Amino acid sequence: DVKVTQSSRYLVKRTGEKVFLECVQDMDHENMFWYRQDPGLGLRLIYFSYDVKMKEKGDIPEGYSVSREKKERFSLILESASTNQTSMYLCASSLEGSFSYEQYFGPGTRLTVT
Amino acid sequence: GNSVTQMEGPVTLSEEAFLTINCTYTATGYPSLFWYVQYPGEGLQLLLKATKADDKGSNKGFEATYRKETTSFHLEKGSVQVSDSAVYFCALGWDNNDMRFGAGTRLTVKP
Repeated sequence: DVKVTQSSRYLVKRTGEKVFLECVQDMDHENMFWYRQDPGLGLRLIYFSYDVKMKEKGDIPEGYSVSREKKERFSLILESASTNQTSMYLCASSLEGSFSYEQYFGPGTRLTVT
Repeated sequence: GNSVTQMEGPVTLSEEAFLTINCTYTATGYPSLFWYVQYPGEGLQLLLKATKADDKGSNKGFEATYRKETTSFHLEKGSVQVSDSAVYFCALGWDNNDMRFGAGTRLTVKP
């Protein structure tokens, strides 16, 4: 079974802090994704990566950056956390390069910024 | 533009009731269509998918048919169980790196 793990289930940070969210997948998948999930809005894509050191902006990249130094690991970085970044963050991976393939999701990190 | 509209929830049903969760979309091109399910405290997992018009996806008693003429992908199950209580997401994915999720529909099944 594909396994996508995220470094924390719950995180509380203060406004202005730099925040790192880590994601690791164990199935040698090419694509990795970061989404945020908010009530009534579904999932919105922040960034995705189709290869090591490659990244593409999604729908809401402002205030975020990403890093993919190894194929299995994809990090989301909040350079200076703000209260409007309080949300559930979901990492996902997929085998193929196209978005028409199934994505495998981690359990999520619920981030609260105070 | 591309978008997904999902039936608003929450939906509350009794065990063994029939379930329909509506999903309609606007899309250019030929996306693949998905239903994902999120159980409490977990990430999303694929429930079923369909890749072209008239395809029917099915899994665990759930079904959905890719209807291009009505731009719909409604999720159905003939007899729901308490264990089906979850949030259900309709989603579209394209080869050109576009992906759209619906807002999600929370289903609660009471014994």
